[in-house]
Amino acid sequence: DAGVTQSPTHLIKTRGQQVTLRCSPKSGHDTVSWYQQALGQGPQFIFQYYEEEERQRGNFPDRFSGHQFPNYSSELNVNALLLGDSALYLCASTKTSGGPSLDQYFGPGTRLLVL
Amino acid sequence: KNQVEQSPQSLIILEGKNCTLQCNYTVSPFSNLRWYKQDTGRGPVSLTIMTFSENTKSNGRYTATLDADTKQSSLHITASQLSDSASYICVVSARSSGTYKYIFGTGTRLKVLA
Repeated sequence: DAGVTQSPTHLIKTRGQQVTLRCSPKSGHDTVSWYQQALGQGPQFIFQYYEEEERQRGNFPDRFSGHQFPNYSSELNVNALLLGDSALYLCASTKTSGGPSLDQYFGPGTRLLVL
Repeated sequence: KNQVEQSPQSLIILEGKNCTLQCNYTVSPFSNLRWYKQDTGRGPVSLTIMTFSENTKSNGRYTATLDADTKQSSLHITASQLSDSASYICVVSARSSGTYKYIFGTGTRLKVLA
């Protein structure tokens, strides 16, 4: 069982560019959540995907968008990058169908640096 | 407003000593409380999960307590090791519309010195 995987591990972009981050959930999980964690801060919830739809969203602008595929994997897209978007982006997976599971597993994260 | 506050913000202890981290929350409706350990630049790893009816749970040298009446939790680390140096994050979840909403604390940064 590979657990939650994320790619790439590190990424450097410049202001105004667009970025796509990828996440594969733990085997058996169908729900993916994305978080942004600035240095020295706790994770901030961006949004959650289940059944290929955005089910919950945190306080993030529309520049942050996502997608979930039929195999439950997910992408996080950020447009018009700002310096303040530099952070560790975490993906977490859990199981919702059949009753929401207490288990939530995090991936290793993608470190994004915007110059 | 749903909030999770942790204290202290940072802590330095000597190897072999014990320590206790605190978490106070105002989350409704409360579903469960988790403690995570996060090494620098890595994803959080779950230590304990407690539901409303549980008031203590252990995972090796880590023991978490929960007082649902006062809405407080603590994480006690016994006989600390250098590898315990990390951030410890308290996360409280509320169940809403069939899914969980997670509210994160800002974490306590623990440094264990030899």
